[in-house]
Amino acid sequence: EADIYQTPRYLVIGTGKKITLECSQTMGHDKMYWYQQDPGMELHLIHYSYGVNSTEKGDLSSESTVSRIRTEHFPLTLESARPSHTSQYLCASSEQKAEAFFGQGTRLTVV
Amino acid sequence: AQTVTQSQPEMSVQEAETVTLSCTYDTSENNYYLFWYKQPPSRQMILVIRQEAYKQQNATENRFSVNFQKAAKSFSLKISDSQLGDTAMYFCAFLTGTASKLTFGTGTRLQVTL
Repeated sequence: EADIYQTPRYLVIGTGKKITLECSQTMGHDKMYWYQQDPGMELHLIHYSYGVNSTEKGDLSSESTVSRIRTEHFPLTLESARPSHTSQYLCASSEQKAEAFFGQGTRLTVV
Repeated sequence: AQTVTQSQPEMSVQEAETVTLSCTYDTSENNYYLFWYKQPPSRQMILVIRQEAYKQQNATENRFSVNFQKAAKSFSLKISDSQLGDTAMYFCAFLTGTASKLTFGTGTRLQVTL
């Protein structure tokens, strides 16, 4: 079983609030990803990282930011949440040239 | 740029029957990896099966097998003896040999019925 954890699982927050979605993995993987997914729909890559101090924007433009100060930790931050940010956010990690393991996701609702 | 196409948004299969989900991809690279992921309703995404492009033999995991056609850039998933627990979204994914980012298809929603 993969050891990648996301918190919180569910979050309802008001417009304009700053939020941080946490993602941690204990597998020592260098690569980590953040995907945005509306329920039952396709995944959109919004950020990824090759390792510590490395972050790249994904295919879908996002107002969120990420950091990678430690190998095991890849948090995603929204400085000012808006209703359009309502979605599910999936974190994943992988070794080089290997499959990705996914967390359980964070369902974000901005009201 | 690499692209992954799943042309079947939804499929349905009866329990115990066999179903095939299609996936095509486009790349100019010769070394890459292909995956099928399963996402049950409101549950975690999990890996079903993987295939290395340099391997000619099709991967098999219990009731799940792939038909990998490298020249045609096709990577279909066959589920034999379908079970109710197979109901899920299935995503095809692609990773280049240079190990950049994982690219997903748009998914196929599979419903297994009695």
